[in-house]
Amino acid sequence: QSALTQPPSASASPGQSVTISCSGTSSDVGGYNYVSWYQHHPGKAPKVMIYEVSKRPSGVPDRFSGSKSGNTASLTVSGLQAEDEADYYCSSYAGINDVLFGGGTKLTVL
Amino acid sequence: EEQMLESGGGLVKPGGSRRLSCAASGFPFSIYSMNWVRLAPGRGLEWVASIHGSSNYIYYADSLKGRFTISRDNAKNSLYLQMDSLRAEDTAVYFCARFSLQMRLTFIDIFDLWGPGTMVIVSS
Repeated sequence: QSALTQPPSASASPGQSVTISCSGTSSDVGGYNYVSWYQHHPGKAPKVMIYEVSKRPSGVPDRFSGSKSGNTASLTVSGLQAEDEADYYCSSYAGINDVLFGGGTKLTVL
Repeated sequence: EEQMLESGGGLVKPGGSRRLSCAASGFPFSIYSMNWVRLAPGRGLEWVASIHGSSNYIYYADSLKGRFTISRDNAKNSLYLQMDSLRAEDTAVYFCARFSLQMRLTFIDIFDLWGPGTMVIVSS
């Protein structure tokens, strides 16, 4: 059982938007603004897409955005493109010497 | 180009041991804290262990403490994970991942560079 809860799958057509949720508790997601999102194409190196809830690293398209409400964080991908099809994992700081991940969401571009 | 490449994965019998390596290049390895993170089939990512650039600070996931040992050799730009008393539930792809902040080890940090991973299968 993963510490943070994500839906196992999500899908949308090219050009549409999709939102992936990440549910935690007040001890992790809800307690800190240190939520990150990672994109993983199987067989490749994962890549950070969002950090500190809503910040984008250099080079990440602005189609990717993050937000948080209470104990739930969200990743929204707008203007979906074929290359966005991947597994997405959320991560949250959970106190001293601990970081939690979600179970992952497989995003399918229809 | 900054990159990391893991090696050492393979098939291991329950109770056995395995040493994973991660070769880093393209950046000053010694000033970054490093991590091992694993992805088990049907489960999410799981943080395994972290080590400061100086090796003076080391942390492990509570569930793995005592069986896994993280280490590094800055002269060789390499990170290691010694895994002992392996169990079926340790079957996973093991990634090395870099913390983004230089000269610090803090868990508010992000994993800003990853390798492609190496697969470890624990089975008789």
